[in-house]
Parts: sequence; C-alpha cells; structure tokens
Amino acid sequence: GAVVSQHPSRVICKSGTSVKIECRSLDFQATTMFWYRQFPKKSLMLMATSNEGSKATYEQGVEKDKFLINHASLTLSTLTVTSAHPEDSSFYICSARPPRFSSSTDTQYFGPGTRLTVL
Amino acid sequence: GENVEQHPSTLSVQEGDSAVIKCTYSDSASNYFPWYKQELGKGPQLIIDIRSNVGEKKDQRIAVTLNKTAKHFSLHITETQPEDSAVYFCAAVKSYIPTFGRGTSLIVHP
Repeated sequence: GAVVSQHPSRVICKSGTSVKIECRSLDFQATTMFWYRQFPKKSLMLMATSNEGSKATYEQGVEKDKFLINHASLTLSTLTVTSAHPEDSSFYICSARPPRFSSSTDTQYFGPGTRLTVL
Repeated sequence: GENVEQHPSTLSVQEGDSAVIKCTYSDSASNYFPWYKQELGKGPQLIIDIRSNVGEKKDQRIAVTLNKTAKHFSLHITETQPEDSAVYFCAAVKSYIPTFGRGTSLIVHP
C-alpha cells in the first residue's frame, strides 16, 4: 500500500515554456501533498505544502507565481513550472501524507520523481 | 526551526559488515523519525521509522534507535549487501512537517 506516482518521469523542454508535473496517491486519499526539489547529491528541499481544496503554502524563497501548485482532489496534485529556464532544471519529487485518522498519518510517501531539463 | 545533522556523508563498507548512520536534531517537539533510502534517479522510499515513545525498533537487518534526551537517533544495517548501496536520509518530523538530514551515501563493496 501507500503508492505515489508521478508523471512524467522525465521531461525536456525549451526555455520559456511551461511544464506540468502530476502527483497521484494511488491507494489512499492524501489530505496533504508536498513538493520537493533535489539537486545532484543534495538533500530534499521542500518547496511547498498543498492541502486539498486550499491554496498551497510556499517555503521562503520559492516563487509562487513560477511554481504553480494545484491540489484539486484528494488523490491528485500538480506542479506547473511556468516560463521555465535552464536554472529550473532539477529533480522534482512529490510526497503524500495519509489522512489524520490513519495510523500512518505522520509518514510521507514519496513519488518516483520527475527529471526536468530545460534547454 | 528544526535542524537535523546527519553523519557520515559517505560510508564505505565491505559486504557482510554493519553500517551505522547517525542523526541529531534540535527541536525536542519533533516526535516522529523516519528513515528513507533513495536509489539513483528514484524517489526516497521509507525503510523504517520510530516514534518518540519508543527507544528501538527492528525490522530484519535494519534497526533504528532513538535517544530523546540526547536528541539523536541512528540507523543500523547488519549483514550489508551490495543492494543496500544507496543514499539514506533521516528526518525529524514535527506537526507532520519533516526536516531532512543531508544524506549518507552508503557504498557496499562485494
């Protein structure tokens, strides 16, 4: 159980275009989903926390107009990188947390990640 | 805010040896401590976790210990195998928000 998927796994785009990444919890409803960015050989950097039906909470230094997050349902959150530039190239990973009534609500289950390359 | 220190950054062992990774945290309000294994090009996978009301937990070759007084917790892997090679992250969770360590690259030589 507790499977999280991400799509696409890899994307290459031209500078100036927008890219949408989907994150789905496959076998549980996720009240809260998280988006992380990871640079090579570095730790996970939390970008934002999204709760179903409400606006995402962004970490300091993360541009909310550049990284649009939508959590439209209990099983789907999307991250859109708008007007992507080469410096946005990175490994983006989502995670999902089971609901509060679940015994594993403290645990975050991660997706497999999306490798974004902006040319 | 919470600060998590993880050591060592790199750990190289021979197959069959034990490996120990240590983490310290700063916020005594953190009450949940998961460990994740991340293989190259993949997302982190939960391998074991421990809550603040427990001192030790074991799952086959993997064990985690927690010392709340000293604010440190450790991951122990016994009888290491080449497939254990990966980056391991510890985390301290407070109010459902984790703070991750910087990761340990474990290399198990056949």
